[in-house]
Amino acid sequence: AQSVAQPEDQVNVAEGNPLTVKCTYSVSGNPYLFWYVQYPNRGLQFLLKYITGDNLVKGSYGFEAEFNKSQTSFHLKKPSALVSDSALYFCAVRVPGQGGKLIFGQGTELSVKP
Amino acid sequence: EAGVTQFPSHSVIEKGQTVTLRCDPISGHDNLYWYRRVMGKEIKFLLHFVKESKQDESGMPNNRFLAERTGGTYSTLKVQPAELEDSGVYFCASSGGVYNEQFFGPGTRLTVL
Repeated sequence: AQSVAQPEDQVNVAEGNPLTVKCTYSVSGNPYLFWYVQYPNRGLQFLLKYITGDNLVKGSYGFEAEFNKSQTSFHLKKPSALVSDSALYFCAVRVPGQGGKLIFGQGTELSVKP
Repeated sequence: EAGVTQFPSHSVIEKGQTVTLRCDPISGHDNLYWYRRVMGKEIKFLLHFVKESKQDESGMPNNRFLAERTGGTYSTLKVQPAELEDSGVYFCASSGGVYNEQFFGPGTRLTVL
């Protein structure tokens, strides 16, 4: 079965420190990979995506993600966390040939403390 | 430009009742998706419309769920009769093309008692 795993329910980081939110996937073929963020009482907002090319992709709000094909991972990173980055983060994949539907992970709650 | 809107934001109903959720996509977006997140788990795909046609409804859990998109604009998702396990947050998303970025609405939180 095709799936996306976010192994950490919660990640706690001090403001100014680097952050990593992990994501691995198990799908056939070469999927497109996405990160979305959900702030309280808001819809999911697109952060970044990987389709092809450079394994390091840069997105909104200073976030970046590194695609690793051998490890089937797409970890989200930021060099210096802000308190305002505290939110729920979702990793998702789209499988080519299977239309536009996204397969999501279970989400990771990021908490950045001052 | 207005984003994806969903109504209501919250709904509390009793088991056996009927609830209808509405989604208004971004104007001009032909692709409309329904997803739901149950009990803090992963967000799961329900179905995909292209204009008024159901392109993929492989994620619909059972025949108590009925989605429509008459005229290819807004969409409704009806649950009849609702069961306890239907509780969760229902998200709608839209995109201009199938492979374009999906824009999500704020979700409808459904609680079935």
